[in-house]
Amino acid sequence: DTGVSQDPRHKITKRGQNVTFRCDPISEHNRLYWYRQTLGQGPEFLTYFQNEAQLEKSRLLSDRFSAERPKGSFSTLEIQRTEQGDSAMYLCASSSTSDTQYFGPGTRLTVL
Amino acid sequence: AQSVSQHNHHVILSEAASLELGCNYSYGGTVNLFWYVQYPGQHLQLLLKYFSGDPLVKGIKGFEAEFIKSKFSFNLRKPSVQWSDTAEYFCAVADTGRRALTFGSGTRLQVQP
Repeated sequence: DTGVSQDPRHKITKRGQNVTFRCDPISEHNRLYWYRQTLGQGPEFLTYFQNEAQLEKSRLLSDRFSAERPKGSFSTLEIQRTEQGDSAMYLCASSSTSDTQYFGPGTRLTVL
Repeated sequence: AQSVSQHNHHVILSEAASLELGCNYSYGGTVNLFWYVQYPGQHLQLLLKYFSGDPLVKGIKGFEAEFIKSKFSFNLRKPSVQWSDTAEYFCAVADTGRRALTFGSGTRLQVQP
């Protein structure tokens, strides 16, 4: 399967802990996006990379969130000092220059 | 800021009924428009997209959508739904100067056999 993959698929953590998610985009897609989706809502944009450069960040992305794409391939999203309000599905998408975004299965985070 | 409205939150239809899901967006510039579908237990999949040209676009599985610029709308249609169309449908917009998608809150479609 050459789609977008995300790891882990589920993460349960205690409030105050740090978590890190990984996204592997479709090979040769130079653009990578992170979104967050809560129950009953559509995905909300968090951040976007073109190759290794982080070109846009949403105001939703607080200081506790950081994303990297060090070699322009996979990306990680870290949440420090998790809060219950961080519980959500974290989605990754990738695209080529066509601007059509293809989504991965998501990582469901539950903060207890 | 952009916003996307999907007025139908939950739609229940019988098989073979016709479907129209509304999507309106607020943005005055040039936009790219998308419909995504999420089947139960699966991830978001692209149904169709509009970038330019013919405002009536056809997607997978018999779906189509019409872009009406004057109404800021991009409604999704299917003449005859099937039970397998049961899913959540999301409209999304991106202005051509940015890459981020702005999604509506989704419409849950339930098709009864």
